[in-house]
Amino acid sequence: SQTIHQWPATLVQPVGSPLSLECTVEGTSNPNLYWYRQAAGRGLQLLFYSIGIDQISSEVPQNLSASRPQDRQFILSSKKLLLSDSGFYLCAWGGMTGGGTEAFFGQGTRLTVV
Amino acid sequence: AQSVTQPDIHITVSEGASLELRCNYSYGATPYLFWYVQSPGQGLQLLLKYFSGDTLVQGIKGFEAEFKRSQSSFNLRKPSVHWSDAAEYFCAVGARSGGYNKLIFGAGTRLAVHP
Repeated sequence: SQTIHQWPATLVQPVGSPLSLECTVEGTSNPNLYWYRQAAGRGLQLLFYSIGIDQISSEVPQNLSASRPQDRQFILSSKKLLLSDSGFYLCAWGGMTGGGTEAFFGQGTRLTVV
Repeated sequence: AQSVTQPDIHITVSEGASLELRCNYSYGATPYLFWYVQSPGQGLQLLLKYFSGDTLVQGIKGFEAEFKRSQSSFNLRKPSVHWSDAAEYFCAVGARSGGYNKLIFGAGTRLAVHP
């Protein structure tokens, strides 16, 4: 069965420091991969999606970037964190079938920028 | 543009009472609709989904949802709430854009259950 791993679970970083969050998927090949952010009291905002290795698209302009060096690995990064980058970050994968497919989520990373 | 509205930010019910969480969507084509649940500090778990066919769909944990095209709604229901149902619930619509699928989420409804 498919599983998705996301780490770390929590992270406290000072303003201006770099960031690297990693997500890996097992049990499936060529998945669509997504990074979402959930700010306190708000819904989920799609940040990045990827349909293949080195194929990354951004949904919103921001201080973050994403990379997909391997088929089942998705990394969220920043060179210099801002206070506004604080939030709950969720990685997800979805299939390639048709126009409707659910996404399966990791356990999330709680990022606090201080 | 596609969007999802969950009108209720917080709902409190008594254990054993019935529950209905509202969801309205805006999408030009046939919608793919989902309900997810999130426990505090956790990821999202899929409760149920609607792709086509019967407009009343059954999910896990005793939840069901009804798709009403005329009202652009996909409300989540449970006949008898348990204390363990306290969580945040998200409605989402699946959209296809630029050759990929994505989910557009509502802002969520936080459910509290009184004993």
